[in-house]
Amino acid sequence: SQQGEEDPQALSIQEGENATMNCSYKTSINNLQWYRQNSGRGLVHLILIRSNEREKHSGRLRVTLDTSKKSSSLLITASRAADTASYFCATDWEYGNKLVFGAGTILRVKS
Amino acid sequence: KAGVTQTPRYLIKTRGQQVTLSCSPISGHRSVSWYQQTPGQGLQFLFEYFSETQRNKGNFPGRFSGRQFSNSRSEMNVSTLELGDSALYLCASSLEQGAADGYTFGSGTRLTVV
Repeated sequence: SQQGEEDPQALSIQEGENATMNCSYKTSINNLQWYRQNSGRGLVHLILIRSNEREKHSGRLRVTLDTSKKSSSLLITASRAADTASYFCATDWEYGNKLVFGAGTILRVKS
Repeated sequence: KAGVTQTPRYLIKTRGQQVTLSCSPISGHRSVSWYQQTPGQGLQFLFEYFSETQRNKGNFPGRFSGRQFSNSRSEMNVSTLELGDSALYLCASSLEQGAADGYTFGSGTRLTVV
């Protein structure tokens, strides 16, 4: 089964609002990464947070990581219609070189 | 610089046939990983290759295999195709094994088995 679980499964907001997605995982990790996927195309790497980091920013993205709770959140501020996509968290498993993906959150930003 | 290139983009095969998918990583990247994405199972790791050696393998049957060439290009092969193999197959490359800075994905090959 997938290690990461994300919520909500789907999120619909108005342009300009903030979007928050949450991810939980089960095992020890090296890092946690967030990816975006548009319409069943390839994944685009958004941001990576290492296991010894608690918060990271990149443009309109803010990621937090709580290793004690095995959870992470992705905040997209001032959302745009172009942010409409599926968002996946992925953990880089501590004992192997592979990504374990969550089920994803479908974000729809209405203009 | 050129991204990760996957060919072909779309493929339709008949049950029982075999298929080979190709992935050219970013120039200089030595690690190539493959993932399968289906509506039911989501994104699942298939295998990772680094310096022509398979370093890690996911929980897939032996019908799924791959290889990496000396120029880091990779191929994956699926033999005796089943309807359930219909999926988007994604290739990801990274500079080093384990991708401490994240992976770069290709646009994928959409395989339909009929």
